[in-house]
Amino acid sequence: DAGVTQSPTHLIKTRGQQVTLRCSPKSGHDTVSWYQQALGQGPQFIFQYYEEEERQRGNFPDRFSGHQFPNYSSELNVNALLLGDSALYLCASSPFGRVQPQHFGDGTRLSIL
Amino acid sequence: AQTVTQSQPEMSVQEAETVTLSCTYDTSESNYYLFWYKQPPSRQMILVIRQEAYKQQNATENRFSVNFQKAAKSFSLKISDSQLGDTAMYFCAFMTPGGSQGNLIFGKGTKLSVKP
Repeated sequence: DAGVTQSPTHLIKTRGQQVTLRCSPKSGHDTVSWYQQALGQGPQFIFQYYEEEERQRGNFPDRFSGHQFPNYSSELNVNALLLGDSALYLCASSPFGRVQPQHFGDGTRLSIL
Repeated sequence: AQTVTQSQPEMSVQEAETVTLSCTYDTSESNYYLFWYKQPPSRQMILVIRQEAYKQQNATENRFSVNFQKAAKSFSLKISDSQLGDTAMYFCAFMTPGGSQGNLIFGKGTKLSVKP
């Protein structure tokens, strides 16, 4: 039973560039959430997708956008990268409508130079 | 707005001993869930234990147990018989249920080191 998988593992970009991170949810899960974890901090909620729509959003600018595909996988896009976007980006999945703990992937480490 | 506070940035414990990690939260909700997640250097966030606010009984999972004090809005984690593999960052998290389950609100974490 495959868990949550994220790609790539590590990514290096420069300021102003754009990046796309990918996530495949755990089998049986249809809801995907994205979190940003800055160094030494707890994860912060970016947004959540269900049925290919953004259902909830945290306090992040419009430079952060996402998408969910019919197979429930998801992408996180960040435009006009800033140095402050350097962080670990975590994807979590869960089944909609059931209070189940979210299952996390190993994350993508994004470094902005 | 809900907040989660972990007041111990770092803690250490000797192998086989017991350690307690503290967590307090603030919310006006009456129905919510609390979690402890472990994040080892491998980065993956792993669920340790969960507690439903409507349950008075404290949750336990093998060597892990919580002390849930709803009135005090306190949710501490006790690790008994500490093992070297328990070395990790520990995050306390809060969630309100909803159609899309809401989102997890995390504390800043406590770095636990288990020493041989």
